[in-house]
Amino acid sequence: AQTVTQSQPEMSVQEAETVTLSCTYDTSESDYYLFWYKQPPSRQMILVIRQEAYKQQNATENRFSVNFQKAAKSFSLKISDSQLGDAAMYFCAYRSRGGGADGLTFGKGTHLIIQP
Amino acid sequence: GAVVSQHPSWVICKSGTSVKIECRSLDFQATTMFWYRQFPKQSLMLMATSNEGSKATYEQGVEKDKFLINHASLTLSTLTVTSAHPEDSSFYICSAKRGAPYNEQFFGPGTRLTVL
Repeated sequence: AQTVTQSQPEMSVQEAETVTLSCTYDTSESDYYLFWYKQPPSRQMILVIRQEAYKQQNATENRFSVNFQKAAKSFSLKISDSQLGDAAMYFCAYRSRGGGADGLTFGKGTHLIIQP
Repeated sequence: GAVVSQHPSWVICKSGTSVKIECRSLDFQATTMFWYRQFPKQSLMLMATSNEGSKATYEQGVEKDKFLINHASLTLSTLTVTSAHPEDSSFYICSAKRGAPYNEQFFGPGTRLTVL
């Protein structure tokens, strides 16, 4: 079974600064997907960014980028120019590729606080 | 596009009664839907995978007789919590998978269940 570990229960960053959220995972599979989801107080899960394991290039979505280190099984999220609206719980998630096991395995989450 | 709704958004019931939660994909067909459970300040845990027209696949430790899942159409899956008890109180979130080429999961807004 796969496991996802987020070792930072809470992170705080000044508005406009950059913050990096950590995520490591354990799997015996060679092909899979990794995701970062944002959960604001409304509890609606919002996809921030996704990475396909077979792609070496790190995914980027505007101010959000990842550092994907497959050998180290590490998948960190960098948020540049932090904004007040970025405050939320952030969950790292893993999904197998194919085989019907499409459910997501989530880490415990990191609570991100943005200081004005 | 890719909107998933859940109904009700919150429900309070008495111990021993059954509660049904609906998950609908509003603008796409979802052959697969997923049900997650989230306890306060905790992560999402996959409960079961629901495929249209077939029996749901439950994760280890999830009681299939307590959490009945029906996926009768390509746009609707239901979760029925039978003989609910206070320990079943939680936040239940569904997601629906949109098929190729997207293969993306979209989350509903969740349902808060409180069992008195």
